[in-house]
Amino acid sequence: EAQVTQNPRYLITVTGKKLTVTCSQNMNHEYMSWYRQDPGLGLRQIYYSMNVEVTDKGDVPEGYKVSRKEKRNFPLILESPSPNQTSLYFCASSRGGTNEKLFFGSGTQLSVL
Amino acid sequence: GENVEQHPSTLSVQEGDSAVIKCTYSDSASNYFPWYKQELGKRPQLIIDIRSNVGEKKDQRIAVTLNKTAKHFSLHITETQPEDSAVYFCAASFNYQLIWGAGTKLIIKP
Repeated sequence: EAQVTQNPRYLITVTGKKLTVTCSQNMNHEYMSWYRQDPGLGLRQIYYSMNVEVTDKGDVPEGYKVSRKEKRNFPLILESPSPNQTSLYFCASSRGGTNEKLFFGSGTQLSVL
Repeated sequence: GENVEQHPSTLSVQEGDSAVIKCTYSDSASNYFPWYKQELGKRPQLIIDIRSNVGEKKDQRIAVTLNKTAKHFSLHITETQPEDSAVYFCAASFNYQLIWGAGTKLIIKP
């Protein structure tokens, strides 16, 4: 089944404790992206990647890191999480970029205490 | 920066009536405009999209119209049903990014 797999589904952590949210797609998609979703603000892009070893900042990259060492994986890293990073996170992928259908992961609800 | 404004933020309609959600974008170079539906606790899913060389597109009860001159596009849902209750997001492509509207919560009253 074609899908974007995102883990974990829920995560509670404390300020400053490094964490990684994994994202993997099995559709051989070139484009992958991370979003955060906050009430009243819609979806805001954190980072995106057009291909392996190519990543770019989105609208809200501060406090986040990503890597794209393999085509299928695009992990999101929070080196030192803070409470303002409490949010719902979505990974998404598409065949060729933002002019095509995005396939979303199931989301990660992160709480930073 | 580039932005997409979406209105209304909440829309309540009687079952069977039509619903219209409107979005305005700022970058005239945008050429792709998708609409996503997000049910409670679920991931966003594409319901319809339109490209800048097309003025209107329909898919059963759903249609999208685009006015490039005015830089706005709209989602039209006819004969609304309870399963249409969700949050709807519009977006516009810009420089390898999608700029998203803030969302419209659509409530279908029985």
